[in-house]
Amino acid sequence: DAGVIQSPRHEVTEMGQEVTLRCKPISGHDYLFWYRQTMMRGLELLIYFNNNVPIDDSGMPEDRFSAKMPNASFSTLKIQPSEPRDSAVYFCASSPLVKGGYTFGSGTRLTVV
Amino acid sequence: AQSVTQLGSHVSVSEGALVLLRCNYSSSVPPYLFWYVQYPNQGLQLLLKYTTGATLVKGINGFEAEFKKSETSFHLTKPSAHMSDAAEYFCAVSDGAGSYQLTFGKGTKLSVIP
Repeated sequence: DAGVIQSPRHEVTEMGQEVTLRCKPISGHDYLFWYRQTMMRGLELLIYFNNNVPIDDSGMPEDRFSAKMPNASFSTLKIQPSEPRDSAVYFCASSPLVKGGYTFGSGTRLTVV
Repeated sequence: AQSVTQLGSHVSVSEGALVLLRCNYSSSVPPYLFWYVQYPNQGLQLLLKYTTGATLVKGINGFEAEFKKSETSFHLTKPSAHMSDAAEYFCAVSDGAGSYQLTFGKGTKLSVIP
């Protein structure tokens, strides 16, 4: 099992550009979560999916953020346009059931200059 | 809604000393409780979890935690710290089988002094 795979590991972009982060969850996991981690705010849940359907996106900070899960093996988090305050580490996690805990990917470190 | 409080954003211990990281939670229903560890530039890794049954749970790398309902606590311990334990530790809670969301604490950074 390769675990949760995120790409890219690092992304540096200029303010105003579109950024797309990618995630491949563990096969068979019905739940997929996107988190953002910063020094100031810690870990924040942005959105989560169940069986490819978005269940709760109340953590998405602004309309500039959008997430999709077109199939069970792929999800994207898009920021358009990006701003310097979006700089953070973005994690994807998947889970079969909450009692099992989440499996996290290695994260994407986003820097917007 | 549930919440998690981790006392101490930074804890330092000497190598070989006891590690104690504190976690208190609030939940309106019997919780599921988790500890995660994050090494630099890596994702979070599950250390241990409590769902039901025995209140003392053992995890990887010699860590254990005890669920104390009366104290609403789930403190993480390790008898003897090793240099490789230096990392950030996160406590998380879910309000049982009715929720698929974990609420995380703000984390405690553990430093181990040689």
